[in-house]
Amino acid sequence: GENVEQHPSTLSVQEGDSAVIKCTYSDSASNYFPWYKQELGKRPQLIIDIRSNVGEKKDQRIAVTLNKTAKHFSLHITETQPEDSAVYFCAAEEGGSYIPTFGRGTSLIVHP
Amino acid sequence: EAQVTQNPRYLITVTGKKLTVTCSQNMNHEYMSWYRQDPGLGLRQIYYSMNVEVTDKGDVPEGYKVSRKEKRNFPLILESPSPNQTSLYFCASSLIKNTEAFFGQGTRLTVV
Repeated sequence: GENVEQHPSTLSVQEGDSAVIKCTYSDSASNYFPWYKQELGKRPQLIIDIRSNVGEKKDQRIAVTLNKTAKHFSLHITETQPEDSAVYFCAAEEGGSYIPTFGRGTSLIVHP
Repeated sequence: EAQVTQNPRYLITVTGKKLTVTCSQNMNHEYMSWYRQDPGLGLRQIYYSMNVEVTDKGDVPEGYKVSRKEKRNFPLILESPSPNQTSLYFCASSLIKNTEAFFGQGTRLTVV
């Protein structure tokens, strides 16, 4: 089955810095890669996603890049703000499967 | 308002006492699923349903049951809960697979 590794487990940055979270996956058939943000005590919510036919996608301060050859994808947050503090999860989904595989999460702390 | 609603939010029960966690979505989504979230392990899928009367096991199905008699509802049943089922549970729905998952607000279950 699919295996998703996510690093780092904790990331501490100063407000205004950039943050990068990386995930690797094992199943070359995976074709959908969402990123979810979970604030403390809240439900996970999608912040950005990318499909295997696209190499990069941006939405304001958030971007995701995908390298299919190396089987890794990354979340980039620029100009971080304290409200970006949360746990971020990556996931990989194979087109023929109904079971998404999540990474173990990255706790991002943005210091004012 | 489009949403996924699960109840109860908090539940403390004793070993062996059957319980049901309800989940309902009002978005006419085909795909619904249950996850458990444990510290350091991320989100792991328990069961999923592709449509009414169609369910299948996820990664960690042991000790759980589900049913999908109506499109909007997808209850999670623990016939004989044990302490290792103490966890935070999330229900989620998607229009179809490989698309954004909308999560419920979570149910924190403690089995003593």
